[in-house]
Parts: sequence; C-alpha cells; structure tokens
Amino acid sequence: DAGVIQSPRHEVTEMGQEVTLRCKPISGHDYLFWYRQTMMRGLELLIYFNNNVPIDDSGMPEDRFSAKMPNASFSTLKIQPSEPRDSAVYFCASSPGTGTDTDTQYFGPGTRLTVL
Amino acid sequence: GQNIDQPTEMTATEGAIVQINCTYQTSGFNGLFWYQQHAGEAPTFLSYNVLDGLEEKGRFSSFLSRSKGYSYLLLKELQMKDSASYLCAVSDYSGYSTLTFGKGTMLLVSP
Repeated sequence: DAGVIQSPRHEVTEMGQEVTLRCKPISGHDYLFWYRQTMMRGLELLIYFNNNVPIDDSGMPEDRFSAKMPNASFSTLKIQPSEPRDSAVYFCASSPGTGTDTDTQYFGPGTRLTVL
Repeated sequence: GQNIDQPTEMTATEGAIVQINCTYQTSGFNGLFWYQQHAGEAPTFLSYNVLDGLEEKGRFSSFLSRSKGYSYLLLKELQMKDSASYLCAVSDYSGYSTLTFGKGTMLLVSP
C-alpha cells in the first residue's frame, strides 16, 4: 500500500505567484482532507471531500484558496496569488469512511510551502 | 464547536513512563484519536477510543472518560525515538467524521 502521496514535498515561491499542491489518496478511501499546519495555529482543517464532492470548505482562509477533486485518485489545492503568510506545511489525508477504522485519517508526507 | 486542551511540552527519561493528558469540550462526540508526529514528518495514527476505558497497544495505552471529557496517552519503557509531538483529536459527527486536533504535546525523552 503506497499510502497518501503528495507533491511537491517542498515549494519555494515568490509572493503573488500561483501555487498548486497535489494529493493522491489511498485507493478505496471515500474521504479526503486538506490541512495546514503552523507553529502558531497547529493543524487546521481547510476543506474535505466525500466521494469527490466538497462537503465543507469553511476552513479555507479566503478566496485565494481553492481545491478540487476531479476523480477518486487525485486532488489539488491551489493558492492564487500566494502571500508570505501562507507559508506552512500542507497535509493531505484520507480515511475509509466505512469499516472498523471508518474515521481514522492517514496523512501524506506534506508539502512545505515557503512564500518569499 | 470543539475545544481541545493538552500540555504544550513534557520531558521524561529513557525507560520511564509518561502520561499525556487531553481534555475536550465538544458539541458531539464520536471518538478520540491520538497521533504521533516526529519533527518534519506527517502525523501517524496511534490509537482510537470511542468507549470508556483503557485500550492497550504494546508500549502505548490510551484511556477515555466521556463523562469527564478526558483522555490520556500512556507511554511505557520510553525510548529516545518516542521524542515527538503527540496530537489529541476528537471526531465530531456534527461535521461528517471530521477530526479537530489539539495543538499537540511535544515530548522530549532524554538519556
């Protein structure tokens, strides 16, 4: 089992540039989550999908952030335009949604984003 | 809404036992999770409690009291590799199985 895959692992960009983060969830998982982690705020849920449909995006900071899940094996989180305060580690996680570990979330390795 | 509280830092000695506490206030409850996160890495699942009592898994045990809104993670026979952040998270079915995470407890194990 490959686990949750994220790319890129590191991204350094300049303020105003567009940033796209990518995620491949564990095959068969019905839920996909995007989180942001900073020292100050900890791990924050940005948005999550159920069967490719966005369910709750109330954690998305502002309109500069958008997320899509065109199919069951791929999701993107886009920031346009990026700002220095967006610098953080962005994690993608997936969970089965059914079975004995229905709510257990499995995290990808994260993308460390630095906006200069 | 959710409010999850856990200590910011703890220190312990190799071979010792340490207990990391977590208290929570939730509008709904469907289980409590503990995750371990080493520096620069992703959180990894440790344990899940939905009923009151103690769940033991090797050197790690987790306890839950729903009436008190309280959980703890017990780590025995501490090893240097246990130095990490430990995150308490609550599942709230008012939000479709989402997890709300505490800010984590940084545990430093010294020789």
